[in-house]
Amino acid sequence: DAKTTQPNSMESNEEEPVHLPCNHSTISGTDYIHWYRQLPSQGPEYVIHGLTSNVNNRMASLAIAEDRKSSTLILHRATLRDAAVYYCILRIWGIQGAQKLVFGQGTRLTINP
Amino acid sequence: DAGVIQSPRHEVTEMGQEVTLRCKPISGHDYLFWYRQTMMRGLELLIYFNNNVPIDDSGMPEDRFSAKMPNASFSTLKIQPSEPRDSAVYFCASSLPQGGRTEAFFGQGTRLTVV
Repeated sequence: DAKTTQPNSMESNEEEPVHLPCNHSTISGTDYIHWYRQLPSQGPEYVIHGLTSNVNNRMASLAIAEDRKSSTLILHRATLRDAAVYYCILRIWGIQGAQKLVFGQGTRLTINP
Repeated sequence: DAGVIQSPRHEVTEMGQEVTLRCKPISGHDYLFWYRQTMMRGLELLIYFNNNVPIDDSGMPEDRFSAKMPNASFSTLKIQPSEPRDSAVYFCASSLPQGGRTEAFFGQGTRLTVV
């Protein structure tokens, strides 16, 4: 399975932008880049995904490098509620063409008031 | 839709007992995933189904674990017999079949404690 590499932890201040990096040097042409986050005592929650182009939604932006070997999740204005573990995942082709999500260790984001 | 529904939310059982975890996916979702989360190993994919058929169960740790999906609206994960090292939070997730373009929706999880 294609793997991703993220920093174990990051810290930021409330109302400041946060850039969460992810390396995925073994990505293949059909792999989508997904980001999920997990708030304390909850299940993972979808944040954003992309294939080649940068993506924006109401939660965040995703910047994808031209060679697709890295990406950055951008939280434009962090709040205390954004404190969570953020997972960068490649949604990959599995057996019989089915897709699966394989989680790494993620980045624990701490937001300081 | 109420989202992915898992039951029970908490389960405490004695070693050697049979445990059954339940999941109701979002209506219309063709993919269903079972994950286990522990502090040591993080989120592990155990098994996933497509159209009620198990596609990949390579993550199932031992023969004590089994999963079924008798219909599109229900799945179970069974552990028999349970052991203390099975203590973890078990998550179920579902998604549409549109490949990498679609997101997965997770339930709130079942926290299993085996004593």
